[in-house]
Amino acid sequence: EVQLVESGGVLVQPGRSLRLSCAASGFTFSDHYMDWVRQAPGKGLEWVGRIRKRVNSYSTEYAASVNGRFTISRDDSKNSLYLQMNSLKTEDTAVYYCARGFCYGDTCYSGDHWGQGTLVTASS
Amino acid sequence: IQLTQSPSFLSASVGDRVTITCRASQGIRKFLAWFQQKPGKAPKLLIYAASTLQDGVPSRFSGSGSGTEFTLTISSLQPEDFATYYCQQLGDYPLTFGGGTKVEIK
Repeated sequence: EVQLVESGGVLVQPGRSLRLSCAASGFTFSDHYMDWVRQAPGKGLEWVGRIRKRVNSYSTEYAASVNGRFTISRDDSKNSLYLQMNSLKTEDTAVYYCARGFCYGDTCYSGDHWGQGTLVTASS
Repeated sequence: IQLTQSPSFLSASVGDRVTITCRASQGIRKFLAWFQQKPGKAPKLLIYAASTLQDGVPSRFSGSGSGTEFTLTISSLQPEDFATYYCQQLGDYPLTFGGGTKVEIK
């Protein structure tokens, strides 16, 4: 069974840093792109970023709202995905989900499996 | 690429046929997915590549469209379908979601 379990969400002051983790099991983690998606309280979904596979040099893509502040990384030996969040802002308050990607045709889609989410609250 | 979903809210009865539209600000071929989300839960993938049904999703769900206009149709609304639906484009980075359509019981 595919499982994704996020951790690391806490209450943090604006301007500080935080690292989220996503532990994967039940599939070959190294074969998949991975995404982070967030959802502010009472709001819609916002794609945060993506990390590709080793064959794609672990390249990354980011939303404009987090580019330069957030960094996605992965450790295939530990079946783990990470989101390093620096210079946090109050508007980064959200539930953060990791989502598994899959490739079909000419593109790679996100979210055929999701974690349960972890809540990050950026507030003083 | 901006995605505009309509309506943002709809009220329907069990058994109704429901259609949700997602319009992209520029052409994305068929690189579109649909998700369902219930309160307090992670989203669930329903459809990808505009019209391909994800494994395990009931056949009352269908998707169509290409380019800039896409639709999600539920042929006969069931009690478990009351939720919020989102489209997501994968035509270009950054990936984006539509604003969501909340389907409530009439």
